[in-house]
Amino acid sequence: AQKVTQAQTEISVVEKEDVTLDCVYETRDTTYYLFWYKQPPSGELVFLIRRNSFDEQNEISGRYSWNFQKSTSSFNFTITASQVVDSAVYFCALSENAGGTSYGKLTFGQGTILTVHP
Amino acid sequence: DAGITQSPRHKVTETGTPVTLRCHQTENHRYMYWYRQDPGHGLRLIHYSYGVKDTDKGEVSDGYSVSRSKTEDFLLTLESATSSQTSVYFCAISEFFMVQSSYNSPLHFGNGTRLTVT
Repeated sequence: AQKVTQAQTEISVVEKEDVTLDCVYETRDTTYYLFWYKQPPSGELVFLIRRNSFDEQNEISGRYSWNFQKSTSSFNFTITASQVVDSAVYFCALSENAGGTSYGKLTFGQGTILTVHP
Repeated sequence: DAGITQSPRHKVTETGTPVTLRCHQTENHRYMYWYRQDPGHGLRLIHYSYGVKDTDKGEVSDGYSVSRSKTEDFLLTLESATSSQTSVYFCAISEFFMVQSSYNSPLHFGNGTRLTVT
């Protein structure tokens, strides 16, 4: 069975600090997708990134970066120079298999509450 | 924004009453999913659909049923609501594309329905 663990339940930082959110996953499949979603206080779920299991390249998008390491089954998310608007709950999720119906059957971590103080 | 509308946005109902939540999409995506979000559990899959009249159970399907008579609508029904079904319900959609390299579109979520069963 697949499993996603986000070890940090809550993180509190001061604006402009860098922060890393950890995500460790378990799966028996060799083909899978990993996701990060942001849930701001307004409650919607915002898609941030998707990475497939064959692409271990790290990705950077503005202040956001992701580090995917299959050797340690981790897909960590770093926010550089955090801002108050980054305050949200962040979810890591895993989808086994490459496509079709199974793609959307996500297993979510419990979420990390990030609070950025001014 | 992905064209996903959930209705109602909020509902309070009494134990034992039937409740139907609606997810409407304008993207013509084949795959639709219902998730529930509870503190400490992240999001968990209830039911999903891979086409009109094609549905299947997810991880936490007991007490729920679904129907999909049109591509754009996916209904979630609680036949006899219980307090344990108090939760925030999210609908999600995706599509699978067979082009040069087949892939699924990122899973996009609706804004959620907050259901309280008293």
